[in-house]
Amino acid sequence: KQEVTQIPAALSVPEGENLVLNCSFTDSAIYNLQWFRQDPGKGLTSLLLIQSSQREQTSGRLNASLDKSSGRSTLYIAASQPGDSATYLCAASGGSQGNLIFGKGTKLSVKP
Amino acid sequence: KAGVTQTPRYLIKTRGQQVTLSCSPISGHRSVSWYQQTPGQGLQFLFEYFSETQRNKGNFPGRFSGRQFSNSRSEMNVSTLELGDSALYLCASSLWPRIGAANTGELFFGEGSRLTVL
Repeated sequence: KQEVTQIPAALSVPEGENLVLNCSFTDSAIYNLQWFRQDPGKGLTSLLLIQSSQREQTSGRLNASLDKSSGRSTLYIAASQPGDSATYLCAASGGSQGNLIFGKGTKLSVKP
Repeated sequence: KAGVTQTPRYLIKTRGQQVTLSCSPISGHRSVSWYQQTPGQGLQFLFEYFSETQRNKGNFPGRFSGRQFSNSRSEMNVSTLELGDSALYLCASSLWPRIGAANTGELFFGEGSRLTVL
């Protein structure tokens, strides 16, 4: 059964800092891994989707990597801004489970 | 193009009542999934529909049910509401069903329906 863990649960950084969010999963037989952002009281916004055959994906200041062998994914945010403050969730998809399995998220606070 | 639309956005019910939530997927998307989000449990999968058929179901009691219409719009229903059903209910759509090799598509979420049970 797939389990997804995100550490740390919360992170506070000063504006301009580069940061890394971590996601680990127990079953390496995934089809893809997706990173989302959630603002308070809002739905999820898809940030990046990495297929199992890919090692990384980039979008603007965001870069996500995937290492299936170690069961890990990282989301790198460059030059953080206060507008990046949100909860970041990763979700793994694959195997017989068609649904995405979510981590509990990392709540990021970027201070001006 | 329009994103995933969920209605109503907020609602308050009392224990024992029932509730129906609606989800309109992105145009062209045929798969609709439902998730429950609570502070304690995080995001938990409820069920997925594709071509009006339930393709996958999470570990929720039978009080939680859903359906999908021919235009891909979906509804979920919760009967005999309990206090613990208070949550944000999120709907997501994708092009294809999330089973097997087709399980490679990006999932897009709506803003959710915030249910409070008193």
